[in-house]
This record gives sequence, structure tokens and C-alpha cells, in this order.
Amino acid sequence: EAQVTQNPRYLITVTGKKLTVTCSQNMNHEYMSWYRQDPGLGLRQIYYSMNVEVTDKGDVPEGYKVSRKEKRNFPLILESPSPNQTSLYFCASSFTIRRSSTDTQYFGPGTRLTVL
Amino acid sequence: TQLLEQSPQFLSIQEGENLTVYCNSSSVFSSLQWYRQEPGEGPVLLVTVVTGGEVKKLKRLTFQFGDARKDSSLHITAAQPGDTGLYLCAGHDYKLSFGAGTTVTVRA
Repeated sequence: EAQVTQNPRYLITVTGKKLTVTCSQNMNHEYMSWYRQDPGLGLRQIYYSMNVEVTDKGDVPEGYKVSRKEKRNFPLILESPSPNQTSLYFCASSFTIRRSSTDTQYFGPGTRLTVL
Repeated sequence: TQLLEQSPQFLSIQEGENLTVYCNSSSVFSSLQWYRQEPGEGPVLLVTVVTGGEVKKLKRLTFQFGDARKDSSLHITAAQPGDTGLYLCAGHDYKLSFGAGTTVTVRA
């Protein structure tokens, strides 16, 4: 089954304790992206990757890191989480993100993170 | 500031009624997408509209892209409880920019 998987689905942690949220897709997609979703703000892009070893900042990258060593995996790293990073996080992937592209973006099921 | 403004923010209607959700922007997009998100799940693509003035139908859902490719609307005819969810519009221009969403509740 074609899908985007994220782990963990739920995480409660404390300020300053490094964490990683994993994301994996099995559709051979080139483009992967991380979003955070907050009430009243919709989905905001954190980081994206056009292909292996190519990553770039989205709209809200502060406090986050990513890596793209393999095509299928795109982990999100919070080196020193803070309470304002409490949010619902989504990983997404698509074949491309060219301007003329109408490719479907597939989303993972989400990771609900609480930073105390 | 949201690049895409969706209205209304919340909508609660009775089963069988019609509803319209709006998505407006001052920016021009190469295409616009509509997603539906249910609790505990990620957004799922409903439709992509590309051409200004384009109208697409998906069963009881009708999507329209404005002539200037800056705005869009989603109309649901004879809404059913299964239509309940968060509806998100997203403008595509090298990346996807999302609106804040419209929460639709259809009461049985």
C-alpha cells in the first residue's frame, strides 16, 4: 500500500530533550516536506527536500533540522525542543513540486508533540 | 499573515442543506488544491484546479477556480454527515501555501 508513515504518533517530552520524528514514504517520491499545524494558522511548512541531499527552509524553520540521506526517509530533528514547538506535525511527499506540477501531495497520519 | 484566507472558519449545517466554502488570495497561483482532513488523520487531496474559470465536480462537491486564479470555492450539495471535516485550500506556486481551513460539521 502506498503510504507515508510517521513515528511516533504521539510524544510528550520536556524542554531541551532532543528528539527525532521519523518519516518514510514507499512511493519513490522525490519531494518531501514537513509541516506543523496549529489552530487558526493552518499548515505551515518547516523544511522541504527536492531530492536526496537537497534540503531547504520553509516558512517556519527555526528550532528544527532535517536530513535527506535516502530518498524514502526524511526525519525531523528538534535539537532543543521548547513549549512553542508543541504542535501537530505532518510529513508529506509527492513526485515533484515544479511550478506547473499538479502532483498529489500525500500526507502522513501526523505526530502530536507536546513539549512541557 | 495568511497568504490564503478561507471563510467561514466554522460551518455547522443540517443534513441535506447546501454549503459553500471560500478561499481567497491576493496572489496568483499556477493551480489550487482542496484537501479534506478528518480528526487524527492527515489531509487528503480532493481536487486540483488549474485553469482560470475551471469548474470540477466530484459527486456532490463542486470546485471552482476564479478567472484570475486567485480564489476558489467549494460547494457541497445536500450535505451528509460523512462530509464533516476540515477543508483546506492550498495554492501551488513552487510550493504549497495553505489556508487556515474551514471546519464543517453536518448534523444528522
